Amino acid sequence: EVQLVESGGGLVQPGGSLRLSCAASGFTFSSYWMFWVRQAPGKGLVWLSGVNTDGTTTHYSDSVKGRFTISRDNAKSTLYLHLNSLRAEDSAVYYCTGDLRITDFWGQGTLVTVSS
Amino acid sequence: QTVVTQEPSFSVSPGETVTLTCGLNSGSVSSPHNPGWYQQTPGQAPRTLMYSTNTRSSGVPDRFSGSILGNKAALTITGAQADDESDYYCVLYMGSGIWVFGGGTKLTVL
Repeated sequence: EVQLVESGGGLVQPGGSLRLSCAASGFTFSSYWMFWVRQAPGKGLVWLSGVNTDGTTTHYSDSVKGRFTISRDNAKSTLYLHLNSLRAEDSAVYYCTGDLRITDFWGQGTLVTVSS
Repeated sequence: QTVVTQEPSFSVSPGETVTLTCGLNSGSVSSPHNPGWYQQTPGQAPRTLMYSTNTRSSGVPDRFSGSILGNKAALTITGAQADDESDYYCVLYMGSGIWVFGGGTKLTVL
């Protein structure tokens, strides 16, 4: 059974940093691009970032480019998202997903709240 | 700026067929955009219904189908049921590794 389990969310002050993790199991993690998607309270889904199979190619939406960094550890089957310079508008549930072209994998999400 | 457009809301009666669409503010949607469709109920993670235009995710009933209709991607629900009442999101691949979600459609079944 495919599982994606996010962790690392929590309450952080504006300007702070956080590292989100997504532990994968039930599929060959190293064979798939992986993505992060977020959803602010009461709002829609927003694609944030993607990373290729070996971690050498990354892409970001304009809203997080330069502040967030995606990475992966295939030996640990884990995807990461480093969040820096956090703003109130970054408050959201953050989901990791498999390659949107060819998979249907979604985690349950981890909540990030940016507030003083 | 690329905007992916969806109907904000849609209402359908049980048993009827409904088609939700996913377009672009400039240009047409086609297969290279790899349209995907997701269903989400409040408090739950999204559930993939369809990816790569018309590949149905495992466990999704065949009354859900995906296609390109005219210049938009489309999700058709044939014989809507009460538990289809959800938010539906589409996503499109814009090239250069970038994906964009639509704003979502709130489907009411009554």
